[in-house]
Amino acid sequence: QKEVEQNSGPLSVPEGAIASLNCTYSDRGSQSFFWYRQYSGKSPELIMSIYSNGDKEDGRFTAQLNKASQYVSLLIRDSQPSDSATYLCAVNNDMRFGAGTRLTVKP
Amino acid sequence: GAVVSQHPSWVICKSGTSVKIECRSLDFQATTMFWYRQFPKQSLMLMATSNEGSKATYEQGVEKDKFLINHASLTLSTLTVTSAHPEDSSFYICSATRRPTGHYGYTFGSGTRLTVV
Repeated sequence: QKEVEQNSGPLSVPEGAIASLNCTYSDRGSQSFFWYRQYSGKSPELIMSIYSNGDKEDGRFTAQLNKASQYVSLLIRDSQPSDSATYLCAVNNDMRFGAGTRLTVKP
Repeated sequence: GAVVSQHPSWVICKSGTSVKIECRSLDFQATTMFWYRQFPKQSLMLMATSNEGSKATYEQGVEKDKFLINHASLTLSTLTVTSAHPEDSSFYICSATRRPTGHYGYTFGSGTRLTVV
């Protein structure tokens, strides 16, 4: 089993909808969780970090962490076409990314 | 804060020559940097972990003699693609983090698009 698993998608949502991206991890001792966004042809950028159980909101983005169930999610409210990208989940300092989830927001 | 500068942003070289790519952390010290390669429409592939003052740790299948990594200071790591061939044409990206490692997330350089002709 991979240490970090992401729903591979692709995920397509209409503009204005909520996009939900999910990531599960195997190491119960994990402390730090990150979401990165990568636009096509560009390098990734860190968009959210979360360390405690619960929700963390930043604008239209909400990261949700559930350590008991070992998952972390990213919700994007009022999705915009500019949110179309590949989203990558990372746990602690494990920088071996999977394929990520490709999100397309359709106008 | 946490700015990573990568240079050059693109390079074209002739087959058989070597190319050096630099990755600098501008406003923090980075004991660890990572180097990735990404082919079109494929996922990021971690090539190696660059550790300041010691040898890099290469991922399985990555030729250490072909991809030379030097992390001579806390703010600079370099990747040299030696004897480049067309199949080495790819998008190379570095990343770094502030200490403590793993707590702050990683900042990526803007990437280097290498084309070997």
